[in-house]
This record gives sequence, C-alpha cells and structure tokens, in this order.
Amino acid sequence: RKEVEQDPGPFNVPEGATVAFNCTYSNSASQSFFWYRQDCRKEPKLLMSVYSSGNEDGRFTAQLNRASQYISLLIRDSKLSDSATYLCVVNNAGGFKTIFGAGTRLFVKA
Amino acid sequence: EPEVTQTPSHQVTQMGQEVILRCVPISNHLYFYWYRQILGQKVEFLVSFYNNEISEKSEIFDDQFSVERPDGSNFTLKIRSTKLEDSAMYFCASNWDRENYGYTFGSGTRLTVV
Repeated sequence: RKEVEQDPGPFNVPEGATVAFNCTYSNSASQSFFWYRQDCRKEPKLLMSVYSSGNEDGRFTAQLNRASQYISLLIRDSKLSDSATYLCVVNNAGGFKTIFGAGTRLFVKA
Repeated sequence: EPEVTQTPSHQVTQMGQEVILRCVPISNHLYFYWYRQILGQKVEFLVSFYNNEISEKSEIFDDQFSVERPDGSNFTLKIRSTKLEDSAMYFCASNWDRENYGYTFGSGTRLTVV
C-alpha cells in the first residue's frame, strides 16, 4: 500500500461546481496533515492544514478521519483559478519527514 | 510576505560533474528541507535539517548527496558525480514548527544533467 494515496483524476468541472478530493494514508502514527496546491512547473503552496475537528477556509473545507486514515478536501463554487494539482501531504511522527501524495489534477472550465 | 529563495533557477551540467544548489530559507525558520520532483512525478522527500545536522533522510539521499548550512542564512544541497537520473526540479523548504505548520517552498532549481 502506498504511504499516501490519491485519485489522480483529472477532475473536469464547470465553474461554480463543488468538487471533493480524497486521500488515504498508511501510517497510523502520522501526526500532521495538509493540503497543498501545485500549478504546472511551480512549487507546491500550502493551501490549508487539516485538523481532526475539520476546518474551513473560505470555499475550502478539509476533513480528517483518523480511524479510517482518510483526508478530504471540498472546494465549493469552483473558480477557473482553482485549476491546479492538489497534493495531500502527511507528516510522520516527529514531523521531520513529510510524504506527498501524487496529486489530483483539477480542471475548472468556463 | 517572507519567501524562500533558490538559486540558480535552472542549471545544466554534464554527467559526472558536481553541482551545488543554493537556498536562503525564511530568516526565523528553524527546520530546512530538500525535496525533488522528477518531471511528471510526485514530490519526493530527500532530507531534513535542524540544529545544524541532518534530522532525517530518505533512501534517495545516499552518499552522492550532502547538505550544509555554511552560515546563518544559506542552506545548500551538493550532488556529487551527477547522473542522468538526477535531472529533476529540486525544491528547498523551511518552517518554524515542524509538526503544526506546513512548509514554505522556494520556486525550485531545475537541474538538467546531460
């Protein structure tokens, strides 16, 4: 089983749509969880941390289910500018090593 | 907004040569990292660095690689005797709290080994 697994997509959605991405991780001792976005040939940029209670930042909502080792990201009212690859990221215990998922590609079309 | 600076943005080198990739992390950050991303593949962890020593390294980070923080601001990745398969984007990252906060990445150095 991969350490961090994501549906590669691509997801093709119209503007204004709601889209959800899922991610699973294999190490039950993992401590910290994040979503990053990466534009083509650019560096990853932190989108949001993921907390056990769930958290929201504007149109973005992240959820964590430790029992199922599952993380999700919901994007509401998609914008053209949301088109990117979304990376699920997991820190191992101690936090010195971070594992990136392969990413889910999102295309938002007009 | 503070940023992580990487130089050069693109480096072309001949197979077998040594390269040094440079990074200036955000000034109050304590933890430093190198990652690489081969074109079309996922971001891969290479090494983390804290308190002037390596904290953790991946199986990719073998004797060919070394890191150094020669002064209070720079953080370098040296690749000795480069191979064709070392061609990738190399990202430096830093943060001040390794567990609760994500990283700030530099814009990367694209290394091409010919």
